[in-house]
Amino acid sequence: AQSVTQLGSHVSVSEGALVLLRCNYSSSVPPYLFWYVQYPNQGLQLLLKYTTGATLVKGINGFEAEFKKSETSFHLTKPSAHMSDAAEYFCAVSALSGGYQKVTFGTGTKLQVIP
Amino acid sequence: EAGVTQFPSHSVIEKGQTVTLRCDPISGHDNLYWYRRVMGKEIKFLLHFVKESKQDESGMPNNRFLAERTGGTYSTLKVQPAELEDSGVYFCASSPGLINSPLHFGNGTRLTVT
Repeated sequence: AQSVTQLGSHVSVSEGALVLLRCNYSSSVPPYLFWYVQYPNQGLQLLLKYTTGATLVKGINGFEAEFKKSETSFHLTKPSAHMSDAAEYFCAVSALSGGYQKVTFGTGTKLQVIP
Repeated sequence: EAGVTQFPSHSVIEKGQTVTLRCDPISGHDNLYWYRRVMGKEIKFLLHFVKESKQDESGMPNNRFLAERTGGTYSTLKVQPAELEDSGVYFCASSPGLINSPLHFGNGTRLTVT
């Protein structure tokens, strides 16, 4: 079984400040990890993904995330927040279940960027 | 390539009525998923099709929900009769099915049951 925990349902940062959104996962097999972003009235869009290889993954819009197996974490960061980053962010874990891909999502973190 | 499309985008129905949601996946994606998000809670898995077969429907809340994917193309999710607690946003996603493949989401259908 797999699960995802996102700490903090709401995060507020000032424009230009560091963004840190936390994600911890639980998986009985090596995980594949994703971050998605949802803007109002839109579907989820892929920000970045970790599969294998380099543990620091770069995504779109200046976001990156680091896979830390020892901490079972996959936190999302961006050095400098922009107003356009205001959205809801979801961490997800993908694993095989019954031979097929199963994706489990966290509860989401809503990011507010203060001018 | 065309993305995942869902319609309607919004639906408001009364308790006891029937609603059918439709999802057109990306062409060639054998795997189709339905998820639901209720009022700020987690995105909860409902079911998973591989082509026209239901691979996993463990997340379906009860027998008022019926999903089909005839011919392995588009899918429908029918709620009959709808209850107040069925309100939420229903997302459809498709994928080639590889474990490292991201899901491609539609914009969702916001269902309100009054």
